[in-house]
Amino acid sequence: NAGVTQTPKFQVLKTGQSMTLQCAQDMNHEYMSWYRQDPGMGLRLIHYSVGAGITDQGEVPNGYNVSRSTTEDFPLRLLSAAPSQTSVYFCASRRDMGMNTEAFFGQGTRLTVV
Amino acid sequence: AQSVTQLGSHVSVSEGALVLLRCNYSSSVPPYLFWYVQYPNQGLQLLLKYTSAATLVKGINGFEAEFKKSETSFHLTKPSAHMSDAAEYFCAVSDTGGGNKLTFGTGTQLKVEL
Repeated sequence: NAGVTQTPKFQVLKTGQSMTLQCAQDMNHEYMSWYRQDPGMGLRLIHYSVGAGITDQGEVPNGYNVSRSTTEDFPLRLLSAAPSQTSVYFCASRRDMGMNTEAFFGQGTRLTVV
Repeated sequence: AQSVTQLGSHVSVSEGALVLLRCNYSSSVPPYLFWYVQYPNQGLQLLLKYTSAATLVKGINGFEAEFKKSETSFHLTKPSAHMSDAAEYFCAVSDTGGGNKLTFGTGTQLKVEL
């Protein structure tokens, strides 16, 4: 069972470059989200999607774009990378929007912006 | 909006000792609470979740948590720590403020010493 797959695992970008972090899930989950993890700050929600074609902003959306053209995929785009975006990024999926529905996480993408 | 606070960013215990990781929540409605564990260089995985069916919730790897409404707490415990329990632990709450997003605490790093 693949679950939630993120690529790449590691990435180094120069300031101003753009890139897309890939996320795919094979569990037919409706709900997908992107978090960033920074020391001492836990996980903060960047963007989320409640289904194909529907996305919304989370707590820290600036500098990031998302789209959801299929149920399976939820890519995160960095438009113009900045050192403040150096972080570990996690994609997560949930079966639905139920309050008690747990999230399944990918292995993370460690991004460094120099 | 709901939130969680984890007291103690680092906790150190001896192998075989009781593990107690603290989580307090803030919610105006009955909360749905989760504990996740993150091993080094991995994604988060669910330990247990509270969904109002029972106040004492048993999870994987011998962990359990007790929901105490009077104390607005959902502390995580394990009677006897094992070296393999060394990891970072996150408390999370389902946020009713749009999208039922999962909001995470800042995490507690558990160290287990011989």
